[in-house]
Amino acid sequence: EVQLLESGGGLVQPGGSLRLSCVASGFTFSNYAMGWVRQAPGKGLEWVSIVYPSGDRTAYADAVKGRFMISRDNSKYTLYLQMSSLRAEDTAVYYCAKDLVLRTTSALFDHWGQGILVTVSS
Amino acid sequence: EIVLTQSPATLSLSPGERATLSCRASQSVSTFLAWYQQKPGQAPRLLIYDASNRATGIPARFSGSGSGTDFTLTISSLEPEDFAIYYCQQRSSWPPLTFGGGTKVEIK
Repeated sequence: EVQLLESGGGLVQPGGSLRLSCVASGFTFSNYAMGWVRQAPGKGLEWVSIVYPSGDRTAYADAVKGRFMISRDNSKYTLYLQMSSLRAEDTAVYYCAKDLVLRTTSALFDHWGQGILVTVSS
Repeated sequence: EIVLTQSPATLSLSPGERATLSCRASQSVSTFLAWYQQKPGQAPRLLIYDASNRATGIPARFSGSGSGTDFTLTISSLEPEDFAIYYCQQRSSWPPLTFGGGTKVEIK
């Protein structure tokens, strides 16, 4: 059974930093692209970032480019999102998600974590 | 950036009725359009990808159609567990990946 478990969320002041982690199990992590999608309170889904299976290629939404960095440690089955220069508008539940397709990216997400809340406020 | 517009914002129906949800893209996405379901307090679930392909484990009452800029998600006969919010997502031209604003299917 595929499981994705996020951690590292919480309350942070504007301008601060936070690192989210997502530990995966139930599949061969190194074979799949992984992504982050966020959802502001009461709002819709917003794609944040994606990383290819080997970690050599990444992509970001303009809203987070230059402030967030996605990475992965395939030996630890763990996905990361390093967030810096945080703003109030980054407040959201952050989901990590597994790509549908093996060894490349389809940019479709077939398994999602339960989500972790990040609140940016003074 | 491709903008996806979903309509209606809210659909009020009774169990057993047919639901028809629309997603319109600001430019052609071919058939690279997916649908997700999200229930309160839960993560989204992939229902349909590439316009008409059901994801693993998705019941046959869910179907998708369309190409280019106009897409439809149809739930043939609503079950109690189908009342949720539905989002479309395009993967035709990215980054960025984009989602529609969602359609809430509520019990009438």
